[in-house]
Amino acid sequence: GAVVSQHPSRVICKSGTSVKIECRSLDFQATTMFWYRQFPKKSLMLMATSNEGSKATYEQGVEKDKFLINHASLTLSTLTVTSAHPEDSSFYICSAELGVGNEQYFGPGTRLTVT
Amino acid sequence: DAKTTQPNSMESNEEEPVHLPCNHSTISGTDYIHWYRQLPSQGPEYVIHGLTSNVNNRMASLAIAEDRKSSTLILHRATLRDAAVYYCILRPLHGSSNTGKLIFGQGTTLQVKP
Repeated sequence: GAVVSQHPSRVICKSGTSVKIECRSLDFQATTMFWYRQFPKKSLMLMATSNEGSKATYEQGVEKDKFLINHASLTLSTLTVTSAHPEDSSFYICSAELGVGNEQYFGPGTRLTVT
Repeated sequence: DAKTTQPNSMESNEEEPVHLPCNHSTISGTDYIHWYRQLPSQGPEYVIHGLTSNVNNRMASLAIAEDRKSSTLILHRATLRDAAVYYCILRPLHGSSNTGKLIFGQGTTLQVKP
């Protein structure tokens, strides 16, 4: 299957700082990537849909100025958590779509801890 | 948008078949039925998807009811590595605010006993 990577896998940052998470499709081009957040023992929550070369579409309740998404190429999307607070601590997961309507391939996730 | 209902948890013995049910009585004609699974501390993994006909791949089989109001994911021989949370998701192909998106529910936690 297609491979999606995320970097870093784990990050600890101080409150008030910004953190960038990268999502790469390694062996295919993805016009659409998705960002999810998952709290402990909860299901995944879709945050935003990222389309190459255009602005991301955010789900209701997700602050676009806090979670900056850039999809500059067909293989890379980045999520920047700005002015992070402890409540932003979570497992962030990206996915990439192998063509419109096809299955999504997920990255391994990034564990963010804000102290 | 249509929702799915799955049991919270199921148990299986190793090397036995597992049938994971999913109800989706309000499914629309353009909704694909997708199954993903998630092992602890990992991203979800695609398992299988279908529209109307039953589907088979190397991981599992998907049996879809004739009226499409329910489906069953079949793992033919469970292994310990199959222990995971299994998500049944309806993915609209078009005509919905959730077109193309995967909206995850709570899923079924499958335990496999040796």
